[in-house]
Amino acid sequence: GPKVLQIPSHQIIDMGQMVTLNCDPVSNHLYFYWYKQILGQQMEFLVNFYNGKVMEKSKLFKDQFSVERPDGSYFTLKIQPTALEDSAVYFCASSLGLGIQNTLYFGAGTRLSVL
Amino acid sequence: AQKVTQTQTSISVMEKTTVTMDCVYETQDSSYFLFWYKQTASGEIVFLIRQDSYKKENATVGHYSLNFQKPKSSIGLIITATQIEDSAVYFCAMREDMGYKLTFGTGTSLLVDP
Repeated sequence: GPKVLQIPSHQIIDMGQMVTLNCDPVSNHLYFYWYKQILGQQMEFLVNFYNGKVMEKSKLFKDQFSVERPDGSYFTLKIQPTALEDSAVYFCASSLGLGIQNTLYFGAGTRLSVL
Repeated sequence: AQKVTQTQTSISVMEKTTVTMDCVYETQDSSYFLFWYKQTASGEIVFLIRQDSYKKENATVGHYSLNFQKPKSSIGLIITATQIEDSAVYFCAMREDMGYKLTFGTGTSLLVDP
């Protein structure tokens, strides 16, 4: 199926530092998402991004989080500053559209370890 | 608010048998979409199959099929002729029409024994 690429696969940083997670969505997709998964639990919605704007975000999308996709390059999730509770696997996803075109395709995830 | 519930934490079956995984959902919308994803041991999340709420026929893709019971807000996943490589965690998910958020259940761990 369609491939979403995430870089890096694992990131280790010290608490308080900034981290940027990168995602290369499916090429013709227009909607982009970040999900957070804590070990052993389900994926939880963080944010949806379309046409340069955040369309919806959850309570998990704290003020320290931001997303952007400058000039059609990587879709990024930035956390500044990081906290211990940010340790999780972050999955990027993309979809062609909404409605019947709304199947999400996920990347392999970035494991973030905040020390 | 939408909610997805998977009550089966884990299931163990013998290879080549059929397994059914349960999922019930809650939504206020009359139009919505239901999905099943598989998370492999490596952590990869793979889209398997979807059911659109307005369709009466159960979706089928390969050896995956759905048992959609709209009056019961239920969408079961059926895997026939299971294989060892079907061992994974299976997540049910729902998205409301034109909604931005895909909501996941807590997952069912499937172990297929030889």
